[in-house]
Amino acid sequence: SQQGEEDPQALSIQEGENATMNCSYKTSINNLQWYRQNSGRGLVHLILIRSNEREKHSGRLRVTLDTSKKSSSLLITASRAADTASYFCATDPSGSRLTFGEGTQLTVNP
Amino acid sequence: GAGVSQSPRYKVAKRGQDVALRCDPISGHVSLFWYQQALGQGPEFLTYFQNEAQLDKSGLPSDRFFAERPEGSVSTLKIQRTQQEDSAVYLCASSQRRLGGEQFFGPGTRLTVL
Repeated sequence: SQQGEEDPQALSIQEGENATMNCSYKTSINNLQWYRQNSGRGLVHLILIRSNEREKHSGRLRVTLDTSKKSSSLLITASRAADTASYFCATDPSGSRLTFGEGTQLTVNP
Repeated sequence: GAGVSQSPRYKVAKRGQDVALRCDPISGHVSLFWYQQALGQGPEFLTYFQNEAQLDKSGLPSDRFFAERPEGSVSTLKIQRTQQEDSAVYLCASSQRRLGGEQFFGPGTRLTVL
């Protein structure tokens, strides 16, 4: 069963715009991670935010975490066509296995 | 190798056949995970190894699924008497940590059961 839910399920934007994806989860967590999956490929780790952190940046990525609302958001700034992919949040309530949401399909149009 | 590798990349099986999927984790990584990803869904956990010990197999959907990692490196996921509902992408991931942290994923094996 899926722990998290991503919102929206699909997002289509123009190159240069910002993209925001949200994730909600159900149980307490140690950390929350975001992964990207290009069509037909495995998952690539983007960023990890610990439960005691509220915001984290990595390049064009900005992640926020609100443990009181059990939610996280991923912001991609100045999007590029190469950012087109599915984005998943994942939590590790048990400390080892990851529980993924159903993902947001992002399309960046050139 | 630079990353996690899996073989075969694609496998077509007739219903009732047994299949074996291989995962080569990143050298030295302690933890190894198997996930199943249905079309349009996020990956779902199957099983977890720490070195050669299978610490969690709660995600295996039935006793037709079996995984092993006998020497604490390469792992094999075996599915006996395959059914159509087994069709999915099977992802392997490894991590250098025992608990938590980033997992590095392989490209997956796409299994199609006819």
